[in-house]
Amino acid sequence: KAGVTQTPRYLIKTRGQQVTLSCSPISGHRSVSWYQQTPGQGLQFLFEYFSETQRNKGNFPGRFSGRQFSNSRSEMNVSTLELGDSALYLCASSLRAGVKDTEAFFGQGTRLTVV
Amino acid sequence: GQQLNQSPQSMFIQEGEDVSMNCTSSSIFNTWLWYKQDPGEGPVLLIALYKAGELTSNGRLTAQFGITRKDSFLNISASIPSDVGIYFCAGSFNNDMRFGAGTRLTVKP
Repeated sequence: KAGVTQTPRYLIKTRGQQVTLSCSPISGHRSVSWYQQTPGQGLQFLFEYFSETQRNKGNFPGRFSGRQFSNSRSEMNVSTLELGDSALYLCASSLRAGVKDTEAFFGQGTRLTVV
Repeated sequence: GQQLNQSPQSMFIQEGEDVSMNCTSSSIFNTWLWYKQDPGEGPVLLIALYKAGELTSNGRLTAQFGITRKDSFLNISASIPSDVGIYFCAGSFNNDMRFGAGTRLTVKP
C-alpha cells in the first residue's frame, strides 16, 4: 500500500509569488490535514479536509488556502509569499472511519524556501 | 483549545541508556499517538494507543495511555544511535488532533 505522497519535495520561491503544494493520501483515506513546521514552532496545524470539505482550520492568515478533490487528493496554496513562510509543509492522511479517532500518517513533506 | 505539554524538550544520553518522555494535557483524549521524525523527513508513527491504561510495545519502545486520559509516556530501552531524532506525541479527541512540541533526542555512541 503506497504511503502519503507529497510533491514537490523541495521548492524555492521569491517573495510575493504564490505556490501550490500537492498531497496524495493513502488509498482509502478521506481525511487530509496540512501542517507547517519551522524549527522554533513545531507542528502548526493549517487545516483539515474530509470528503472535499474543510472541517477544521488553524490560526493562519487567509493567504493560506487549500482544497480537496473527489479522489481525496489535496492541494495547499500560499499566495503573496513572505520570507517567514519558509518551512517544511507536511500533509497527513487518516481514515476517519465513523467517530473513531484514527492514526494520521505523514508524507515526507515539501521544503519551501522563500527568498 | 486542548494543549499538549511534552517534556523534556531535549535529551542527551549515552548509547545503551533508557529514555523516558511524556505528554500531559488539561483535557482528555480518546487516542494517543507517538511519532518519530528524522531530519528532513515527515513524522513516522511509532505507537498508537486507544484505551485508558493501555500499555503497548513496539520493539524497544513502550508507550502507555494514562488512566486519566490526560497523559501518555514513551520509553525507549537500550538506546542506539539511530534513535536520534525528534519524538512527538499527539492526542486526538473527536478527530481533533493536537501535537506536542517534540522531544529532541541525541544519543552519544
